[in-house]
Amino acid sequence: DGGITQSPKYLFRKEGQNVTLSCEQNLNHDAMYWYRQDPGQGLRLIYYSQIVNDFQKGDIAEGYSVSREKKESFPLTVTSAQKNPTAFYLCASSMGDTYTEAFFGQGTRLTVV
Amino acid sequence: AQKVTQAQTEISVVEKEDVTLDCVYETRDTTYYLFWYKQPPSGELVFLIRRNSFDEQNEISGRYSWNFQKSTSSFNFTITASQVVDSAVYFCALSERETSGSRLTFGEGTQLTVNP
Repeated sequence: DGGITQSPKYLFRKEGQNVTLSCEQNLNHDAMYWYRQDPGQGLRLIYYSQIVNDFQKGDIAEGYSVSREKKESFPLTVTSAQKNPTAFYLCASSMGDTYTEAFFGQGTRLTVV
Repeated sequence: AQKVTQAQTEISVVEKEDVTLDCVYETRDTTYYLFWYKQPPSGELVFLIRRNSFDEQNEISGRYSWNFQKSTSSFNFTITASQVVDSAVYFCALSERETSGSRLTFGEGTQLTVNP
């Protein structure tokens, strides 16, 4: 089945540790995105990538890093510099053409204790 | 800068009632797209509809309908004869020409609860 796979679904980390969230897609989409969702709030863009080996900061990139070495994969690292990392993280992909709809994974709920 | 406002934080209805979810947007661009997504309790966002700024025709898909009015910068979503399975968070989103690809600006979402 084609789609976007995020793993793990739940993740617990101690404060001060870096953690990497996985996102893989088999839709042959060029563009991929990471969004953060906090309770009662909409989604905010962290990073996005339109082609392999290239990515841009979104609205809340501080404390996060990404890589795009393969078309299928766009992992997100939440670093210790992120002040409030506990949130729900959603990965998405799209054809990359302007205005096409994005398809989302099921999300990773990160809790930092 | 672009902005999407969903003033209704939570709506609760009884099954079979009609319900309208409001969405108001701000943009300086003349070319843009509007989207609605549904987020069920599982967490994944499900695409519902895309509408471009040059097409103001209303759209109906089964029990769902959308009303786009550029004059009031609104893109409202109506569910007719609501069902319990419609319970979810619904997001309105905007994509502009000046931004790259499908980068979306989301509203804060409306939590819809349909009670039996």
